[in-house]
Amino acid sequence: ETGVTQTPRHLVMGMTNKKSLKCEQHLGHNAMYWYKQSAKKPLELMFVYNFKEQTENNSVPSRFSPECPNSSHLFLHLHTLQPEDSALYLCASSQGAASYNEQFFGPGTRLTVL
Amino acid sequence: AQSVSQHNHHVILSEAASLELGCNYSYGGTVNLFWYVQYPGQHLQLLLKYFSGDPLVKGIKGFEAEFIKSKFSFNLRKPSLQWSDTAEYFCAVNALSGSARQLTFGSGTQLTVLP
Repeated sequence: ETGVTQTPRHLVMGMTNKKSLKCEQHLGHNAMYWYKQSAKKPLELMFVYNFKEQTENNSVPSRFSPECPNSSHLFLHLHTLQPEDSALYLCASSQGAASYNEQFFGPGTRLTVL
Repeated sequence: AQSVSQHNHHVILSEAASLELGCNYSYGGTVNLFWYVQYPGQHLQLLLKYFSGDPLVKGIKGFEAEFIKSKFSFNLRKPSLQWSDTAEYFCAVNALSGSARQLTFGSGTQLTVLP
């Protein structure tokens, strides 16, 4: 597997469920990101990790909980979500979190909250 | 906070037509600029980027973009479209100073190229 992979690709969950999204990068990068892509809206940056340390949290509700155990893996733990959280969740990675570093994106997880 | 505006949400053109997609950003400091593309069923991927130097940058598949600092613009162009250029195009800006150092995306432009 090359590039950035995400599992699952599709997820349907109820508001009381707990689930996790997984992202893995095979590029040797040090920085990883979670984005939310809602219909007709710009991609919204949620979290940034650089060398496993969280460096950005864009006022994301606590029902989204990221985890970065190492530079290759990033998780997004979900609990008590709302229907408006339904969206495409994209993971990305880059060689360091510097602004000039190209970000490589995964295919996303399409999340539907019932 | 910085913002990015893409004025066209959906553009429909014929093959061989020329393309120009507008992108304007609101940030007064030094910026890095990007265009990403998402082909149907594929990942977001980088089309081209501007960091410094020549304001006319060339990317993959015959695309180019021109950075006009005075207009806060970074428009994407291609002289002759192909059907395979059908995709969604995203402009993104990363400011280099102040608190806004994250990558901010526009809302995207869906381009449909008719054969």
